[in-house]
Amino acid sequence: GENVEQHPSTLSVQEGDSAVIKCTYSDSASNYFPWYKQELGKGPQLIIDIRSNVGEKKDQRIAVTLNKTAKHFSLHITETQPEDSAVYFCAASWGGSARQLTFGSGTQLTVLP
Amino acid sequence: EPEVTQTPSHQVTQMGQEVILRCVPISNHLYFYWYRQILGQKVEFLVSFYNNEISEKSEIFDDQFSVERPDGSNFTLKIRSTKLEDSAMYFCASIKGGLAAANEQFFGPGTRLTVL
Repeated sequence: GENVEQHPSTLSVQEGDSAVIKCTYSDSASNYFPWYKQELGKGPQLIIDIRSNVGEKKDQRIAVTLNKTAKHFSLHITETQPEDSAVYFCAASWGGSARQLTFGSGTQLTVLP
Repeated sequence: EPEVTQTPSHQVTQMGQEVILRCVPISNHLYFYWYRQILGQKVEFLVSFYNNEISEKSEIFDDQFSVERPDGSNFTLKIRSTKLEDSAMYFCASIKGGLAAANEQFFGPGTRLTVL
């Protein structure tokens, strides 16, 4: 089955700096790659996703890049703010809309004021 | 904005007892999921449910687990005889499904299950 590896496990940045979180996946059939933000005591919230037919997607301060050949994808957060502090999970799935998500192990991002 | 809700937020039970975790998915969604997250670990898939039957299940989802959609709104996860290792946060999720591979899964806030 699919296996998703995520790095780093913890990341501290100064407010205003950029943060990058990287994931690799094992199953070349995976074609959907969402990123979730999880705040303390809450469920994961989708922040951005990318499908395998595009290489990059942006939404304001957040961007995701996908390299299908290397089977890795990354989350980029620019101009970080203290409210960006949370655990971020990458995930992968394949096939149609009903497929399960396989999650990475998470990255605890701390934005220092 | 529509959201997935889960009850209770925290459930404490004795080992060997049965528990039922409840979820109300977003009303026009067709696919439903349960995931669990053991403290400090990654979110793990348990089961998916569509058209009143299980679509997929992981190896975690053994005979002690069952799911049901008893009416048009609730989606439940039952653990028949809880074990200590069942202690985790359980998340329900749903997706709309349909055309354009609408994969976005909306997660509920979770139920923290503590087995003593």
